[in-house]
Amino acid sequence: EVQLVESGGGLVQPGGSLRLSCAASGFTFSSYWMHWVRQAPGKGLVWVSRINSDGSSTIYADSVKGRFTISRDNAKNTLYLQMNSLRADDTAVYYCTRKRAGTHSIDYWGQGTLVTVSS
Amino acid sequence: QSALTQPASVSGSPGQSITISCTGTSSDVGTYNYVSWYQQHPGKAPKLMIYDVSNRPSGISDRFSGSKSGNTASLTISGLQAEDEADYYCSSYTSSSTLVFGTGTKVTVL
Repeated sequence: EVQLVESGGGLVQPGGSLRLSCAASGFTFSSYWMHWVRQAPGKGLVWVSRINSDGSSTIYADSVKGRFTISRDNAKNTLYLQMNSLRADDTAVYYCTRKRAGTHSIDYWGQGTLVTVSS
Repeated sequence: QSALTQPASVSGSPGQSITISCTGTSSDVGTYNYVSWYQQHPGKAPKLMIYDVSNRPSGISDRFSGSKSGNTASLTISGLQAEDEADYYCSSYTSSSTLVFGTGTKVTVL
């Protein structure tokens, strides 16, 4: 069974940093591209970032470019999102997701971890 | 990248059919057959319902179907059931190699 379990969320002050982790299991993690998607409270889904299977290619939404870094450790079956210079509008549930092979949809989602940026 | 445009809400009675639209541009929906649809119940993670415009993942009811014409994709739910009440989001691959989601549609079963 595919499982994606996020951790690392919490309360952080504006300008602060946080690193999210996503532990993957139930599939060959090193074979799949992964995305981070976020959802502000009561709002819609917003794509954040994507990384390819070996970590050599990454891409970001303009709203987080230069502040967030996506990475992965295939030996540990873990996806990361390093978030720096956090702002109030980064407050959201962050979902770790798996890109479906051969297409550009997302076939599995974690349960999400809440990041709250507030003083 | 602006969000794809969806109606804020759609409603229908049990057994009826409803259709949710998802309008993008020639940089996303209009060019790529990589439109997906997700269902999200309150407090839950989204669930993939349709991928590549009209394909259903294993285990998804054939009451859900997708299509596309020009810059607009559509999700149709036939034989509406109480359990279909949820938020629905479309997404598309873009010419910038990113993903863009729709604004979301709340489906209410009357």
